[in-house]
Amino acid sequence: GAGVSQTPSNKVTEKGKYVELRCDPISGHTALYWYRQSLGQGPEFLIYFQGTGAADDSGLPNDRFFAVRPEGSVSTLKIQRTERGDSAVYLCASSLGAGNEQFFGPGTRLTVL
Amino acid sequence: AQTVTQSQPEMSVQEAETVTLSCTYDTSESDYYLFWYKQPPSRQMILVIRQEAYKQQNATENRFSVNFQKAAKSFSLKISDSQLGDAAMYFCAYSHGANSKLTFGKGITLSVRP
Repeated sequence: GAGVSQTPSNKVTEKGKYVELRCDPISGHTALYWYRQSLGQGPEFLIYFQGTGAADDSGLPNDRFFAVRPEGSVSTLKIQRTERGDSAVYLCASSLGAGNEQFFGPGTRLTVL
Repeated sequence: AQTVTQSQPEMSVQEAETVTLSCTYDTSESDYYLFWYKQPPSRQMILVIRQEAYKQQNATENRFSVNFQKAAKSFSLKISDSQLGDAAMYFCAYSHGANSKLTFGKGITLSVRP
């Protein structure tokens, strides 16, 4: 079956613009995670969804970042008024539920000029 | 807060030889999970091996095994019979609790010499 997919694979935008990053989890996976990986670093947790609700958004760096998962499947990470420091690879992972193996997508590389 | 430390930024191993990647972590919890993930240039994180803290026996997956020292908070990965395809970034990670979010180390770049 298909794995976790993320679109776009690369996104270049200008400072101050709004971007949306999409994650399609593995079918049937109720848990969905977003991580951000800056150059030369390990991924950092952003937000966790169980079903449609954000069960833990403690990793979101500020209120410019927001994520939704309206039907409990696809999730969108939204970044307003992008800054150069937002440049990173954004990774999405899904699992059958908390405590189960997380399967990662290939990530979206965001570059803010 | 939990932290994961990988102090070696790079390592190199000869093909067919054995290499050990180090990781230490800090937590006040008694029940948690530890992981090693591989990230090739394609960026896709792949789970290599997983260890439950309550299990004393070290996890093994084919050529990959861990040395889990709970008291020392140490979790190293041993790769036996190294292959060219093992070249990648390797991340040590920790999770605990109801949401199982992962806390990663900074990673180590492993190169394999033919």
